[in-house]
Amino acid sequence: GEDVEQSLFLSVREGDSSVINCTYTDSSSTYLYWYKQEPGAGLQLLTYIFSNMDMKQDQRLTVLLNKKDKHLSLRIADTQTGDSAIYFCAESADSSYKLIFGSGTRLLVRP
Amino acid sequence: EAQVTQNPRYLITVTGKKLTVTCSQNMNHEYMSWYRQDPGLGLRQIYYSMNVEVTDKGDVPEGYKVSRKEKRNFPLILESPSPNQTSLYFCASSLSLGDTQYFGPGTRLTVL
Repeated sequence: GEDVEQSLFLSVREGDSSVINCTYTDSSSTYLYWYKQEPGAGLQLLTYIFSNMDMKQDQRLTVLLNKKDKHLSLRIADTQTGDSAIYFCAESADSSYKLIFGSGTRLLVRP
Repeated sequence: EAQVTQNPRYLITVTGKKLTVTCSQNMNHEYMSWYRQDPGLGLRQIYYSMNVEVTDKGDVPEGYKVSRKEKRNFPLILESPSPNQTSLYFCASSLSLGDTQYFGPGTRLTVL
């Protein structure tokens, strides 16, 4: 079945860039998403990318998609302490309304 | 204010005692969904609904039921809860699948 994998933990220094990686197995994925979850809160959609795109930029966020390798990354420029959270990668296929999530990457930003 | 509400926020119950977690959205969204979040497993979709009276199974539907009689409400029903359903549950809604999903605040359920 479909699977989405992420590394569990990333630690960066404030002001550096963070890169969170995700791999997925479903070749029919149409939408790929990045969500942020702060402690005790629900999920917040950060950005998403269509599978026919290679890159999407939104202020400090850059999403890169390598469809051949089924690899998605989220780059956060100038990482701030407020960016500390769990980041989830998710994918869905056009033929299905299911969302498949990765297990999340905990980002810790050190002052 | 646009929001998704869930009730209750916290619930401790015993095995076999039927319960319902309500979810309501005020944004006239067509798509609604239930997820459970467990440590190390991320979020897994339980059920989703594309519109009134249209529901379908997600990844982990066993032991759960849903209904969508009105557009704004999407309750999650556990007919006979078991301890392996102890989890953090999130409801979400969006205009359609590719649009921003708004998540509720979560319901922490413990089944003893």
